[in-house]
Formats: sequence, structure tokens, C-alpha cells
Amino acid sequence: NAGVTQTPKFQVLKTGQSMTLQCAQDMNHNSMYWYRQDPGMGLRLIYYSASEGTTDKGEVPNGYNVSRLNKREFSLRLESAAPSQTSVYFCASSVGGGGGYTFGSGTRLTVV
Amino acid sequence: GQQLNQSPQSMFIQEGEDVSMNCTSSSIFNTWLWYKQDPGEGPVLLIALYKAGELTSNGRLTAQFGITRKDSFLNISASIPSDVGIYFCAGFTMEYGNKLVFGAGTILRVKS
Repeated sequence: NAGVTQTPKFQVLKTGQSMTLQCAQDMNHNSMYWYRQDPGMGLRLIYYSASEGTTDKGEVPNGYNVSRLNKREFSLRLESAAPSQTSVYFCASSVGGGGGYTFGSGTRLTVV
Repeated sequence: GQQLNQSPQSMFIQEGEDVSMNCTSSSIFNTWLWYKQDPGEGPVLLIALYKAGELTSNGRLTAQFGITRKDSFLNISASIPSDVGIYFCAGFTMEYGNKLVFGAGTILRVKS
């Protein structure tokens, strides 16, 4: 009963470094999402994948790329990290069609 | 940008008190969801609402889908210390391409 698993849980990067955040779900969900959470701003959608093989930009996509590797896995890549990308990142999945999202426990990223 | 106005931003209440929070928007929503986030964890779905006027309970929690379809309310009765956390409203609206949009959250602190 893992649900949505995110790795790593914590990461510190220097400005300009790159990294990939990993996400996997075991609920056979079609859709997957990446959000960032900043104080006072709720959760903002970065990218999403409505189904395997498709990806689309959300509200705040700049500085990020994604890969829907297969139905289970959806990764988020920062090519050149900036301090403005310091945030908590959440991956989520859903069956699609307006159903509720299931969230992972988050990755806390600090860019110095 | 943020399409949901959630209030209050934070509240500090006495154990045993009832709590109310709400979410409003200028857009029409066809689904409302309420999530709770515990410290260091991802949001967890509490209640889902699918019809205007719908009133749904989950233990001490009660939520309503506003008649105008532009607002929703969450009430917590007889609060206890484990109610602390951040409560998010979220919803689906055609104006956001039927992707989930979140309010900024209500931080609940309970005095025991």
C-alpha cells in the first residue's frame, strides 16, 4: 500500500546544479502531476501527464522538465537550479476525469 | 494565478471549539475537495463534493458545495489537538482545463 513514493525526501543543491526528482505510483492511475508548495501560495502545478506518453505545462513550468517514463513513473528535472526553486515539491496521481489526487510525502529542496 | 480565495489564513482555537473555513472564487466549479496536510507530509483528501448544495460529513468534519458553485465551506466540530495542520480547498473548473486548483490554505493551531 505504498501509494505515491517520492525520492529523495531532502536535497540541497548549489545554484546551477542539476537534479531529478523521482516519483512512482502503484495504484494504476492514468494521470500524474508535479506541484510546488511555497508559504502562503498553496500548491501550484508545474507539469502534468494526463496519460502515459503525454506531458503538459502547468501554471509554473519555467526551469523544469518532466518525463513520463511509463505508467508508474513521472520524474521532474531541474537543469540549472536557482534559489527561486527552493520549495517543497509534491508528486500526485489520479485516475483522471475529475477524481481526487493522491499525494506523495514531498521533497524539500533548498538551492543555495 | 490563484483562482481560489481561502479564509481565514490561520486560526488559533481552543480545544473543543468548532471551526469554520471557506473558499470562494469568481469561477464556477464542478467539484470541490478539501485536503488536510500534516507537518512533513503530503495533503490527504478529507471530503469530496460533486453537486451544488451537497452537504457531506466525515466524522467531525462537514463540508458543503455552495449553491452558486463558486464557494465551499468546511466545518470541524469539537476540535482536538490532532486537528492541527493546513487545510486546503481545491476544485475543478473548466476555466483551468479541469486540472485541480488549490487555495492558499488555512493553518489551524489548537490550544489544549
